[in-house]
Amino acid sequence: ETGVTQTPRHLVMGMTNKKSLKCEQHLGHNAMYWYKQSAKKPLELMFVYSLEERVENNSVPSRFSPECPNSSHLFLHLHTLQPEDSALYLCASSQRPAGDSTDTQYFGPGTRLTVL
Amino acid sequence: DAKTTQPNSMESNEEEPVHLPCNHSTISGTDYIHWYRQLPSQGPEYVIHGLTSNVNNRMASLAIAEDRKSSTLILHRATLRDAAVYYCILLPSGYSTLTFGKGTMLLVSP
Repeated sequence: ETGVTQTPRHLVMGMTNKKSLKCEQHLGHNAMYWYKQSAKKPLELMFVYSLEERVENNSVPSRFSPECPNSSHLFLHLHTLQPEDSALYLCASSQRPAGDSTDTQYFGPGTRLTVL
Repeated sequence: DAKTTQPNSMESNEEEPVHLPCNHSTISGTDYIHWYRQLPSQGPEYVIHGLTSNVNNRMASLAIAEDRKSSTLILHRATLRDAAVYYCILLPSGYSTLTFGKGTMLLVSP
């Protein structure tokens, strides 16, 4: 247990569906991250929130929409996804506001998403 | 961005030490060297980080070359649970976003 939980752990959705991924951290951290891990590709950063404000958006398509309502929760809203969006979506948090290169990130177990 | 180079895979026997190398010849003076690992079906897990001096913690040791162009993650006694993909990542000063490469897949045999 890392103190970062993600729900659901598995999700299957059609291309016309709308769904949301949830991440919660119980560590009192100030920064939260969304990463995507596709088969045969390295982990890639999607979004960064620091002190509840989005500070980085890594050229992610608009069909992915993040939301950070408070410092403990992070959502990724999904709509009209493509089959190539099937991947493991990982959430992470770090104690200090984003930008501290000595800080460490704690990852959740991920949500395995399949788009049909 | 400074890049890292790691072997695709390494093998070890249980109870033996493991030395995982990482080359980063274009590292800048303020880049931190971080190591994470990802066990099968899990999210990545922090292992250790350092700047110039060697570092030890309960999980591993990090040996950094004097010129900082390479580093080695040392697992003192490998266990089956250490089988994972190990990532060596450089973090520039003022930057906390992790950029993952392909890493090294460590296989541990009983």
